[in-house]
Amino acid sequence: GAGVSQSPRYKVAKRGQDVALRCDPISGHVSLFWYQQALGQGPEFLTYFQNEAQLDKSGLPSDRFFAERPEGSVSTLKIQRTQQEDSAVYLCASSFSGNTIYFGEGSWLTVV
Amino acid sequence: ELKVEQNPLFLSMQEGKNYTIYCNYSTTSDRLYWYRQDPGKSLESLFVLLSNGAVKQEGRLMASLDTKARLSTLHITAAVHDLSATYFCSDFGNEKLTFGTGTRLTIIP
Repeated sequence: GAGVSQSPRYKVAKRGQDVALRCDPISGHVSLFWYQQALGQGPEFLTYFQNEAQLDKSGLPSDRFFAERPEGSVSTLKIQRTQQEDSAVYLCASSFSGNTIYFGEGSWLTVV
Repeated sequence: ELKVEQNPLFLSMQEGKNYTIYCNYSTTSDRLYWYRQDPGKSLESLFVLLSNGAVKQEGRLMASLDTKARLSTLHITAAVHDLSATYFCSDFGNEKLTFGTGTRLTIIP
């Protein structure tokens, strides 16, 4: 596709449920990033992939958060045993050379 | 700790006026990004500034970068209502974007 595609766009999860958020980056983009944006805040870094290698996961808030990109294209962010504080927009971004970094529309997660 | 600070956080402007948003960052990165975000939407890339002294302009927006002062500015000329949005600056250090708090801009007729 023409841009970064994320699914689902909206997800309501009961506390304790596991969720999986998918990101399809722009074709050929080597770098892929996940960010978390709480209401009224700026995006916060979660993790970064270069191809299939996860080079930085320092922003993942707990061991309930896990991300993968097994074939160097599509990525999945998984959140286990969701908590209310996980409610946020999860943004995926990709880039080819690290110059322009393109963001997807985001996955809006609400934990009830 | 990597830090990006924007000033002001909130800005109400009258149409037709000029104003500047300031962005101070703490890394030694020479790459600075500006994004626009409309309510309920994702981030739209406005400018990528790649070196000291870089200046880019698009319509009524102009961005500049001073890496020695670790300062970037986003200047708005003759504001129009369509520019109402939240603007984020972000520096690229340690292979990741670190975002500022954002400046919520409201253009008043």
